Formats: sequence, structure tokens, C-alpha cells
Amino acid sequence: NAGVMQNPRHLVRRRGQEARLRCSPMKGHSHVYWYRQLPEEGLKFMVYLQKENIIDESGMPKERFSAEFPKEGPSILRIQQVVRGDSAAYFCASSQGIQSTDTQYFGPGTRLTVL
Amino acid sequence: AQSVTQLGSHVSVSEGALVLLRCNYSSSVPPYLFWYVQYPNQGLQLLLKYTTGATLVKGINGFEAEFKKSETSFHLTKPSAHMSDAAEYFCAVTVNSGGSNYKLTFGKGTLLTVNP
Repeated sequence: NAGVMQNPRHLVRRRGQEARLRCSPMKGHSHVYWYRQLPEEGLKFMVYLQKENIIDESGMPKERFSAEFPKEGPSILRIQQVVRGDSAAYFCASSQGIQSTDTQYFGPGTRLTVL
Repeated sequence: AQSVTQLGSHVSVSEGALVLLRCNYSSSVPPYLFWYVQYPNQGLQLLLKYTTGATLVKGINGFEAEFKKSETSFHLTKPSAHMSDAAEYFCAVTVNSGGSNYKLTFGKGTLLTVNP
């Protein structure tokens, strides 16, 4: 059973470009979460999605960031007009449910570098 | 809101020695507590978790942690370190309140090195 897949693993963008990060959850998981890890910081919750629905985006910056989880295909985290402060590791996790007994399984992350 | 503090960003032990990684949390309601491990270039893997019940929790790879409410702590221990334990360890907390128990709050991580 394949784990959570993320691609690309490393992404380099120049200021002003767009970054698209992809996440394929584990088979059978319908709940997807995105976290961001800034240098020297712990992971911070960004957004929680189910298929075709954003459930909680309370951790997402109000501008330039968006996320989707379409009916078919991976979840996408999109960052428009990237700035140097967006350089971070972005982790995706998935779970079967959202009870306390449901473990979040994490992908290997995408490391975004903005030049 | 809850928070996590991991004391020591870097811990170094000798192979065979006790591993102790410290985690203190802050929460206004009973917490759920987790330890994750991250090996280089890999995703975070759950080591163990505490939700309710027995306060001493055993996880994978010989690790265990004890929930101490009076000390607001959830320290991770292993009696004898192996070289393969070298990794970064993250403590995390969430709460079963308001339907947002999916929202994990992480500490900054502790990098464990094991010396031969």
C-alpha cells in the first residue's frame, strides 16, 4: 500500500512565479491536510480538505495561497506570485477519518526555494 | 489554543545509552499527544500517541512516552539507543474540542544523533 505521495520533492521558483505542489493521499483516505514548516520552526497547519470541499482553511494566508482536492486527481496547493518568505517545506498528510483514533500519515514533503 | 515546547533542538547520545526527548504542552482542555519521527528525505512517521486511558504509551521501535498531566509533559524515552534512531523527532498536540481535533500543533523538533 503506497504511502502519501508528494511531488515535486524540490521546487525552485523566482519571485513572482507560481508554485504548484501536488499530493496524492493514501488509498482509501478521503481527508487531506497541508502543513508548512518554515526554517527553524515546527509544522504549522494550513488547510484541511475533503473531496471537492475545503473544510478548514484557517491556517492559510489570506492572499496568494489556494488549495483544492478535486473529485479526480491529487490535491493541489497553489502559491501565486511567490516571495522569498514562502521558502519552506510543505507537507501533506491524509487520514481515513478525523476521530482521535485516526492517524494522519505524512508525505515526504516538497521543499520550495524562492530565489 | 494549544502549544508545544520541545526542550533541546539537538540531543546527542552514545549507542546503547538512554534516549530522553522532552516535550511540554499547553492546553486548556484534555489533550491528545503524539510523537512523530522524520528520517532524512522522508515524511513524518507516527511513533506513538496518547488519547485516553493508560498514561504510559508504547510505540514502535522500542520507544515509549508517559503522559503526566500534573507536569503537562509527554517525554519520549528509549532504554538503549541504536544508530538507526538518528532522526528528527516532533511532538504534537491536538484537542477533541469544537470538532477540530484534526488540527495538529507541532513543536520545533529535536534532532537526535547517536554516536558509535
